[in-house]
Amino acid sequence: DTGVSQNPRHKITKRGQNVTFRCDPISEHNRLYWYRQTLGQGPEFLTYFQNEAQLEKSRLLSDRFSAERPKGSFSTLEIQRTEQGDSAMYLCASSSPTSGGDNEQFFGPGTRLTVL
Amino acid sequence: KQEVTQIPAALSVPEGENLVLNCSFTDSAIYNLQWFRQDPGKGLTSLLLIQSSQREQTSGRLNASLDKSSGRSTLYIAASQPGDSATYLCAGFSNSGYALNFGKGTSLLVTP
Repeated sequence: DTGVSQNPRHKITKRGQNVTFRCDPISEHNRLYWYRQTLGQGPEFLTYFQNEAQLEKSRLLSDRFSAERPKGSFSTLEIQRTEQGDSAMYLCASSSPTSGGDNEQFFGPGTRLTVL
Repeated sequence: KQEVTQIPAALSVPEGENLVLNCSFTDSAIYNLQWFRQDPGKGLTSLLLIQSSQREQTSGRLNASLDKSSGRSTLYIAASQPGDSATYLCAGFSNSGYALNFGKGTSLLVTP
């Protein structure tokens, strides 16, 4: 399977613990995105990488959140001192823009985080 | 920030019906648009991308159109099947950012 993969698929943690999620994009895609989705809502943008450079961060990404893409391939999203409000589905997407600038994003299966 | 509205929020139809899902944007400065399908507890599957140079795109029983001047898109599903039951999300990519702006989705149930 050559789609976007995410690990783990599910994570249950206690409030105050740190968690880290991994995303492996489609291999030839240089753009990588993280989104967060809560129940009944559409995904909300968190951050964007072009190769290894983090080019945009949402205001949703508080200082407890950090994302990296050290070699321009896989990415990690870490949440420190988790809070119950962090419970959500964390989605990763990747893309490779066309010469016309179009940018179809392909999503992974997501990591479901539950903070107790 | 681009606000995206999807109507209706939920829809139930008998198998075989043709149906239309609607999506509207507050900012007409939209570059392109994607429609996604999401099954419960799963990630998003890209259905159609209407590229910046296009007004519509078709894939099988699905047809999506985009009118940038009015800030509206529609997804037409022909001859609906129970396997089409899912949440359908539209998302616009604006000229000024890197992120997709999503609506809340339309939850579709196709009954046998």
